[in-house]
Formats: sequence, C-alpha cells, structure tokens
Amino acid sequence: DIQMTQSPSSLSASVGDRVTITCQASQDISNYLNWYQQKPGKAPKLLIYDASNLETGVPSRFSGSGSGTDFTVTISSLQPEDFATYYCQQYDSLPRTFGPGTKVDIK
Amino acid sequence: QVQLVQSGAEVKKPGASVKVSCKASGYTFSNYGITWVRQAPGQGLEWMGWISAYNGNTNYAQKLQGRVTMTTDTSTSTAYMELRSLRSDDTAVYYCARDRDSSTSDVWGQGTTVTVSS
Repeated sequence: DIQMTQSPSSLSASVGDRVTITCQASQDISNYLNWYQQKPGKAPKLLIYDASNLETGVPSRFSGSGSGTDFTVTISSLQPEDFATYYCQQYDSLPRTFGPGTKVDIK
Repeated sequence: QVQLVQSGAEVKKPGASVKVSCKASGYTFSNYGITWVRQAPGQGLEWMGWISAYNGNTNYAQKLQGRVTMTTDTSTSTAYMELRSLRSDDTAVYYCARDRDSSTSDVWGQGTTVTVSS
C-alpha cells in the first residue's frame, strides 16, 4: 500500500495568515492526489483534485501543487471558516489511502 | 441538488452484522461509483472500498476482505455496505461518497455512526 504522510500534524494560525500543509507519498503517484477539508462532526469536503485543480465552488484562496511524491495545499489568507482538519488522499493505486490529517486551529 | 442520505445510527453487539444504506438523488446513479470511508472516534479517514453503480464491480480494502460487502440497487438509487463479525474497533462513523472518475469523492453522505459494544 502507498503510505501518505502530512506535516505538520497540527498548526495554530491567525485570520489572514498564509498557511501551507505538506503531503508526501511513499512512492511516485504522479498527480493523483486529492485534498479534503473536514470540520468537526461533518463529512469531508473535496477541495482540490488532480493535485492542483480547484473543485467548483471552493474559494480561490485555496491552491494545490506538486507531483511525484511531494504535494502542498496553501491557503493564501486564512479565514474563520477555514479552521478544520485537512486530509490528502492518493488515488494512484488501491487502496486509496489518506494522510493522517493536519488540524488547523486558531492561534 | 445532488445528495446522498444515509441510514440512521446503529448499536450492535460484537459478532453481529450491520448494513448501512446510502440513497442518492439529483444525478444519474449508474453513471458514478460509490466509495465507503470510515472514521473511528478521534481518528483519521480510512478508505474501505468502492463499488461501480454501473456494473457492480467492487474493490475492498484488504484488511476488510471477507467481512465487507458493498452492493447497489439501481432501481432505488441506493448503495449498501454490510460489515459482518463486528468488533469493538469497527466503532466508527461510516460515510458513503459519490465517486467521480473512480478517483475522487465529490459528494458525501452525512455519515452513519455504528457503535459496537457488549
């Protein structure tokens, strides 16, 4: 199975900050990577697919980049509604493994 | 609008089975797959498997092979996930999600809490 790691595991930030979360795959997955946002008690929400494509309706302050084994998601200016946990997921091969998550909370 | 509505919470004893339903609306059910993901309390997301609503083909996570069965009923646009021989570590919120291009889960159900306890 492909292992996914994320860093940091958690971070504290202020509204307006630029935030970057990193995801690393244990082998080359090309650009077969999704990013999801999950708020407490809610289902995950798709933010980015194919590593860098913004899902319809997702604010443009979110962006994704990377290919191969190293990927990032960036929030250019953190908003109150962005405090959540973020997960990457590879779909290069089955099982479609998730990273362990990065919790973004208020400083 | 596109939505997936899951069945209600379940409490089961160890060794029992549970069957969770996921009713789709707002799109052509057979044009997409359905993925199942679970989340144990305070933990991350775990991919359980996928089923094609077009032809019923499935792929299951190896750790669940032999205990899980995913099915669909195209006449009612409903997907089902049955998990057997339940253990306490199966306690989790179970989500269904619409699968786009067999790769990306773009619409999610609200989740179904399954508690396994004696």
